[in-house]
Amino acid sequence: EAGVAQSPRYKIIEKRQSVAFWCNPISGHATLYWYQQILGQGPKLLIQFQNNGVVDDSQLPKDRFSAERLKGVDSTLKIQPAKLEDSAVYLCASSFVAGAVDTGELFFGEGSRLTVL
Amino acid sequence: AQSVTQLGSHVSVSEGALVLLRCNYSSSVPPYLFWYVQYPNQGLQLLLKYTTGATLVKGINGFEAEFKKSETSFHLTKPSAHMSDAAEYFCASRAGAGNNRKLIWGLGTSLAVNP
Repeated sequence: EAGVAQSPRYKIIEKRQSVAFWCNPISGHATLYWYQQILGQGPKLLIQFQNNGVVDDSQLPKDRFSAERLKGVDSTLKIQPAKLEDSAVYLCASSFVAGAVDTGELFFGEGSRLTVL
Repeated sequence: AQSVTQLGSHVSVSEGALVLLRCNYSSSVPPYLFWYVQYPNQGLQLLLKYTTGATLVKGINGFEAEFKKSETSFHLTKPSAHMSDAAEYFCASRAGAGNNRKLIWGLGTSLAVNP
């Protein structure tokens, strides 16, 4: 079974530039998550999708961050304009909902490391 | 409100020694509990999880954890550390079953294994 795919693995940009990250979840996983992980910290949920609908985006800085999952499969996270404090690893994860129960087990991609100079 | 506390941001053990990583949770409902491991430059991988039933949970790579409701703890252990266990470990909790329950993460514990 293929895992969660993310690209690019590494990205270096200047502040005020824009960047986009792509994620393709495990086939059949309805729920997709974007997390931000700053060095030395735990993952922080940015946005959660159920199919192509947004479940939780309460911690997404909407003035600069946007995400979409138009066809309920792959997803794109965009930052525009980037700030120095956006330097982090952006992790995509997906989970499977069996019937009416989501056990909460997340499958993560390898992450996209962003450096903002 | 739900919370997860990992005691000790850095733990160092000798190869072959017992590994003990501490996690305490706070939840108003029976929680689901998870331990994830993150190797350098990689994403997180599930080590083990507790949902219901047996309170001693065995995971991959020889790790296990015990859910102790009276102590609100879910400590991770491994009898004998291996060099390959050096990684970041995260404890997480969610408020039981049901879709779209938020996963609450601890800050992580970095495990170093000395030869």
